[in-house]
Amino acid sequence: GAGVSQSPSNKVTEKGKDVELRCDPISGHTALYWYRQSLGQGLEFLIYFQGNSAPDKSGLPSDRFSAERTGGSVSTLTIQRTQQEDSAVYLCASSQGQGRDTQYFGPGTRLTVL
Amino acid sequence: DQQVKQNSPSLSVQEGRISILNCDYTNSMFDYFLWYKKYPAEGPTFLISISSIKDKNEDGRFTVFLNKSAKHLSLHIVPSQPGDSAVYFCAANSPLTGANSKLTFGKGITLSVRP
Repeated sequence: GAGVSQSPSNKVTEKGKDVELRCDPISGHTALYWYRQSLGQGLEFLIYFQGNSAPDKSGLPSDRFSAERTGGSVSTLTIQRTQQEDSAVYLCASSQGQGRDTQYFGPGTRLTVL
Repeated sequence: DQQVKQNSPSLSVQEGRISILNCDYTNSMFDYFLWYKKYPAEGPTFLISISSIKDKNEDGRFTVFLNKSAKHLSLHIVPSQPGDSAVYFCAANSPLTGANSKLTFGKGITLSVRP
């Protein structure tokens, strides 16, 4: 079956602009995670969804970051007033949501803020 | 504050030899550990995991060893193959997060297997 897909694959934006990153999880997966990987760093947890609710938003770095999930499926990560330090690869993962089910990652969106 | 540390950024081994990738952690609440493999322009893919109730888990050419007292784990790949060349991430999870299996990752190790 289809894996996790993310769009766009690359996004270049100017400082101060808003961006939206999209994630399509594997069909039927109730858990969805956003991570980001900055240059030379490991993956950093941002937010976790179970269905449409986000019980853990503890990784969002500032109030410029928000995310939503609709229909228990597609998720959008929005970054407002982008800054250069937001430049990173944003990765989405989904899992069946049962305990420690394997997280399947998408290919990521590479965001560059000029 | 890096809770999962992969101190060696890169490793180069000869095809057919053993690759040993190391990982240390500081959070004593971690009780589940995973290795992910990542090729360029792709997302990480799950490789192998180990629960803290075990000290070894094996899957084909891949074996993960856990030393809880030392807060250290290692991934052994034997024999190494050129297709194993990738970035390997160590990750950990705590039971405190409940159903939220958010992972804490290390910075990754780039493995190069020379033909």
